[in-house]
Amino acid sequence: DAGVIQSPRHEVTEMGQEVTLRCKPISGHDYLFWYRQTMMRGLELLIYFNNNVPIDDSGMPEDRFSAKMPNASFSTLKIQPSEPRDSAVYFCASSGQGFSKLFFGSGTQLSVL
Amino acid sequence: SQQGEEDPQALSIQEGENATMNCSYKTSINNLQWYRQNSGRGLVHLILIRSNEREKHSGRLRVTLDTSKKSSSLLITASRAADTASYFCATDRGTGNQFYFGTGTSLTVIP
Repeated sequence: DAGVIQSPRHEVTEMGQEVTLRCKPISGHDYLFWYRQTMMRGLELLIYFNNNVPIDDSGMPEDRFSAKMPNASFSTLKIQPSEPRDSAVYFCASSGQGFSKLFFGSGTQLSVL
Repeated sequence: SQQGEEDPQALSIQEGENATMNCSYKTSINNLQWYRQNSGRGLVHLILIRSNEREKHSGRLRVTLDTSKKSSSLLITASRAADTASYFCATDRGTGNQFYFGTGTSLTVIP
């Protein structure tokens, strides 16, 4: 089992550019979560999917953020346009049916200059 | 928004000592989980305790839950340098399927 795979590991971009973060959940997991971690705000739940359907996106900070899950093995989190305050570590996590625990990816360190 | 608050924010102990971290939360829960995060890495699940349980053990870890006080504690016995990490509690706010994390306790174990 390869675990949750996120890419890229690091992303440096300039303000105004589009950023796309990618996630491959663990095979067979029904739930996928996107979190953002900063020193100031800690770990924030942005959005989660169940069986590829977005269930709760109330944590998405602004319309500049969007997330998709076109199939059970792939999800993206897109920021367009990016701003310096979006700089953070973005984590993807997945969980199986009967929800018991989250498996986290290694995260994407995003720096918006 | 964050659900829990861990206490203390930072803890430094000598190897071999016990480490105790506390978590307080605000809403009713179905279960509570503890996670560890090593620097620069993702979070790793340690233990889950359900709302009808009061205590749970896993190896050197002991978790207690007091739903009347909306609080939990994580005890790590006989700490090792490898236990140096940040520890987070996470609760489901009664939803059962989405987890909200606390602010974390940074633990340093000095060899």
